[in-house]
Amino acid sequence: NAGVMQNPRHLVRRRGQEARLRCSPMKGHSHVYWYRQLPEEGLKFMVYLQKENIIDESGMPKERFSAEFPKEGPSILRIQQVVRGDSAAYFCASSPPTSSGANVLTFGAGSRLTVL
Amino acid sequence: GQNIDQPTEMTATEGAIVQINCTYQTSGFNGLFWYQQHAGEAPTFLSYNVLDGLEEKGRFSSFLSRSKGYSYLLLKELQMKDSASYLCAVPRLIFGTGTRLQVFP
Repeated sequence: NAGVMQNPRHLVRRRGQEARLRCSPMKGHSHVYWYRQLPEEGLKFMVYLQKENIIDESGMPKERFSAEFPKEGPSILRIQQVVRGDSAAYFCASSPPTSSGANVLTFGAGSRLTVL
Repeated sequence: GQNIDQPTEMTATEGAIVQINCTYQTSGFNGLFWYQQHAGEAPTFLSYNVLDGLEEKGRFSSFLSRSKGYSYLLLKELQMKDSASYLCAVPRLIFGTGTRLQVFP
């Protein structure tokens, strides 16, 4: 079981470019979460997805950011027209579905975005 | 809404005991999680409390009081490798800012 796989691990972009971060959940997990972590800060929830559905995007900035989790393939977090403030570590986590909504998350190693 | 508070930093010495507190406000309680995160690494699951009381797991224990909206993580016999950030979280896994613990020899 490969765990949660994120790529790329490190990504450098210039201001105005696009960043695409990918996350493949653990086998058997159908729920994906994205978090952003600025240096020396905590994890900030961004979005929670199931296959082909966005369940909760309350933490996602309204502009430039989007996320998807298609029927086939990894979940993708897309940041358009990146700015310096987008520089952060982006963590993906996955969980199996539970009726209680209380899921133990397994995290990927993170994708570190640097905007020049 | 949901709100989680925990101290930003703590220090302790090797072999000591440290208690990291967490208070939360949430609409509809569904358990409280503790995660450990070493610098530059992914968070890893430590514990989950859904009922009041103390859950012990080796050197780590976690306590919950639902009526007080309060939890703590207790680390005994501290080791240098316990230097990390400790994050409490409530479903849907809204995290506190984390408590950075430094263990000194």
